[in-house]
Amino acid sequence: GAGVSQSPRYKVAKRGQDVALRCDPISGHVSLFWYQQALGQGPEFLTYFQNEAQLDKSGLPSDRFFAERPEGSVSTLKIQRTQQEDSAVYLCASSFPGQGPNGYTFGSGTRLTVV
Amino acid sequence: DAKTTQPPSMDCAEGRAANLPCNHSTISGNEYVYWYRQIHSQGPQYIIHGLKNNETNEMASLIITEDRKSSTLILPHATLRDTAVYYCIVILTGANSKLTFGKGITLSVRP
Repeated sequence: GAGVSQSPRYKVAKRGQDVALRCDPISGHVSLFWYQQALGQGPEFLTYFQNEAQLDKSGLPSDRFFAERPEGSVSTLKIQRTQQEDSAVYLCASSFPGQGPNGYTFGSGTRLTVV
Repeated sequence: DAKTTQPPSMDCAEGRAANLPCNHSTISGNEYVYWYRQIHSQGPQYIIHGLKNNETNEMASLIITEDRKSSTLILPHATLRDTAVYYCIVILTGANSKLTFGKGITLSVRP
């Protein structure tokens, strides 16, 4: 597709449930980022992949958060035992190798609501 | 990366220029100023960036003061579609830099 695709668009989870959020980056984009955006706040960095390698996971808030990109294309962000504070929009961005922030393309995000 | 300060909101009339300020008094010599915007229910979108010189592209102009401690994003003829949150980000860029967004400034363009 022409852009970064994220699914589902909306997800409602009961507290304690596990969720998986998917990101399909633009074809050929080696770099992939995940961000978390709480209501009324700017996006905050979670983790970064280059191909299948997770090079930075310093922003993951707890060990309940896990991201993977096994074949260097599609990525999944998994949240185990969801809590109310996990309610947020989860954004994915991708870029070609070696590009700076002027080359990042963001998806429209997945809005997660934990009830 | 240096911290930025933006007012929380501003508005302007459709067709007029929108001048969005940003303070970054602790910017270092090799840090760039980037602007992104986020329209409701969409992901952030890159607008423009600069180091020292003023920059212009099809979307906007970026004016950076000589001491680099502040900058202004100019949308020359604002339209209703420009209503969004605008983020000013100062960053030591390389490939795959992670962005620190802050709260941004909400621009409302009125008819």
